[in-house]
Amino acid sequence: GAVVSQHPSWVICKSGTSVKIECRSLDFQATTMFWYRQFPKQSLMLMATSNEGSKATYEQGVEKDKFLINHASLTLSTLTVTSAHPEDSSFYICSVLGPNTEAFFGQGTRLTVV
Amino acid sequence: DAKTTQPTSMDCAEGRAANLPCNHSTISGNEYVYWYRQIHSQGPQYIIHGLKNNETNEMASLIITEDRKSSTLILPHATLRDTAVYYCIVRDLQGAQKLVFGQGTRLTINP
Repeated sequence: GAVVSQHPSWVICKSGTSVKIECRSLDFQATTMFWYRQFPKQSLMLMATSNEGSKATYEQGVEKDKFLINHASLTLSTLTVTSAHPEDSSFYICSVLGPNTEAFFGQGTRLTVV
Repeated sequence: DAKTTQPTSMDCAEGRAANLPCNHSTISGNEYVYWYRQIHSQGPQYIIHGLKNNETNEMASLIITEDRKSSTLILPHATLRDTAVYYCIVRDLQGAQKLVFGQGTRLTINP
């Protein structure tokens, strides 16, 4: 069964609005989760490391004020794309770090900004 | 930055073994080799990982050279459902433990 649940699987939003994506760890408590973005025909790009109870660590070039990450519990991390623009349209994927250092991935969220 | 080099694409006939190479010449002693695959429009799926010994599980085998500068993922009897992008990742299990993806190999299994 699924270890990571990501919701929604797809979303369409208007330019200028904000969108929240949820990532839930179903089988274990996760201190660390990761958020990735993937453009068509490209590889996954790590955006940030989400740490439960503390601020996320963002990769170079990723705007922390635009991509808000909240990891308020050991089973839930959220990514909010604020003031979305068409160039933010992408496939967003979360990953949960398991107890034996495995990384489990969600099914991804396809965001389309119109 | 990704620390691995993989061929951009490969083809394999259904039922045959698919051998996917990966170069990781700058790998350090603490770093593991991980393999994931991604089927179109889905999240990546874990396949296998190893440090220096060869590994085998129900999905695949991982052969790591003695100097650890390269490895090969082997899918022993490829099926059409194995068509995917395969990522070889070098990962340090100390610290952040993050997975940094390179470009991967697009494997196509042909009937």
